[in-house]
Amino acid sequence: AQSVSQHNHHVILSEAASLELGCNYSYGGTVNLFWYVQYPGQHLQLLLKYFSGDPLVKGIKGFEAEFIKSKFSFNLRKPSVQWSDTAEYFCAVTTMNTGFQKLVFGTGTRLLVSP
Amino acid sequence: KAGVTQTPRYLIKTRGQQVTLSCSPISGHRSVSWYQQTPGQGLQFLFEYFSETQRNKGNFPGRFSGRQFSNSRSEMNVSTLELGDSALYLCASSTSGANTGELFFGEGSRLTVL
Repeated sequence: AQSVSQHNHHVILSEAASLELGCNYSYGGTVNLFWYVQYPGQHLQLLLKYFSGDPLVKGIKGFEAEFIKSKFSFNLRKPSVQWSDTAEYFCAVTTMNTGFQKLVFGTGTRLLVSP
Repeated sequence: KAGVTQTPRYLIKTRGQQVTLSCSPISGHRSVSWYQQTPGQGLQFLFEYFSETQRNKGNFPGRFSGRQFSNSRSEMNVSTLELGDSALYLCASSTSGANTGELFFGEGSRLTVL
């Protein structure tokens, strides 16, 4: 079965530090990749997505992610985090095998940015 | 443009009861998906509806069911509630019939089973 792994469950950073959250998926075929974010008390929202083309994708609020097919990875990065980036981040994938209607989520990474 | 609306936001039930949760998608969105979010299992896909038809279903027991109406609004029902059904139930809607996974989520219905 397809799965998504997020190895960092909790990350604590100071403001202005750089961020990289790991995401690996297990599926050899065509995938669509996503990062969703859930700010405290808010609903899940899309941060960025990769369907095809340039493997470096840019999302909202200065976030970017790089798709490395050979490593089955889609890591999220931000050069300089802010206190307002405190949230839970979820990597997700859809595949032709599971049906592109079904998002398979990782377990999430809780990011705490201290001012 | 109004977002995805879920009702009720909070509810408490006892074991053995049943519950119905409602979801109104963003206007124009025809696909509605449901997810269960728990601390232990994370976000898990329940089912997805498009034009009143269930297109995909997750690995949940038959106690979990859903439906979609002609106006795209959706309901999910859980019968014979168990303690383990306590969770945040999220509804998400999407525009595309092909549905490439770009979803708009509601704030969820938090179910507590006692």
